[in-house]
Amino acid sequence: NAGVTQTPKFQVLKTGQSMTLQCAQDMNHEYMSWYRQDPGMGLRLIHYSVGAGITDQGEVPNGYNVSRSTTEDFPLRLLSAAPSQTSVYFCASSQNFDSVIEGAEQYFGPGTRLTVT
Amino acid sequence: AQSVSQHNHHVILSEAASLELGCNYSYGGTVNLFWYVQYPGQHLQLLLKYFSGDPLVKGIKGFEAEFIKSKFSFNLRKPSVQWSDTAEYFCAVKKVGGNKLTFGTGTQLKVEL
Repeated sequence: NAGVTQTPKFQVLKTGQSMTLQCAQDMNHEYMSWYRQDPGMGLRLIHYSVGAGITDQGEVPNGYNVSRSTTEDFPLRLLSAAPSQTSVYFCASSQNFDSVIEGAEQYFGPGTRLTVT
Repeated sequence: AQSVSQHNHHVILSEAASLELGCNYSYGGTVNLFWYVQYPGQHLQLLLKYFSGDPLVKGIKGFEAEFIKSKFSFNLRKPSVQWSDTAEYFCAVKKVGGNKLTFGTGTQLKVEL
């Protein structure tokens, strides 16, 4: 099992550019989520998905889109990058929504460090 | 809304010293509590978690944490740290029945030889 994988590891964008951060898991997990990590602010939930075809907003969704066409993949799209989106992005997964409710561990990917100039 | 405070942002210890990292949360209901660790260059991984029952929980690598409900605290402890414990530690809280995990700002621990 590779677990949760993320690509790319590093990315530099110019303001206004678009890009997609990739996240994949091979554990057949239904629940997947995206967080951003900023200095002094911890991790904040951007979007999450409880299964293929179902997504919902987290704490800081503005400027980001997600879709979930397969169980394995949960890409995060930045349509028009802004310097405020400079951050480290983590994808995480857990078995299903009920397991998250019950406090099961979420498995994190290695992160993508994004800089927007 | 729930929130988590980690008051120690940077901690430097010598090997074999004892460790205690503070974590306080604000939420009036029943919670699940977690400590995650991020070693340099690696992804976040779970150290330990509290659901219910015994308020003293033991995790991997000799870490433990005590849930004190009256103080809304979930402090992380280790009796004797090692150089390999150098990492960033995150406390997180989730209300029972919810899916939103709220993280603290993290504590950067450096253990010197």
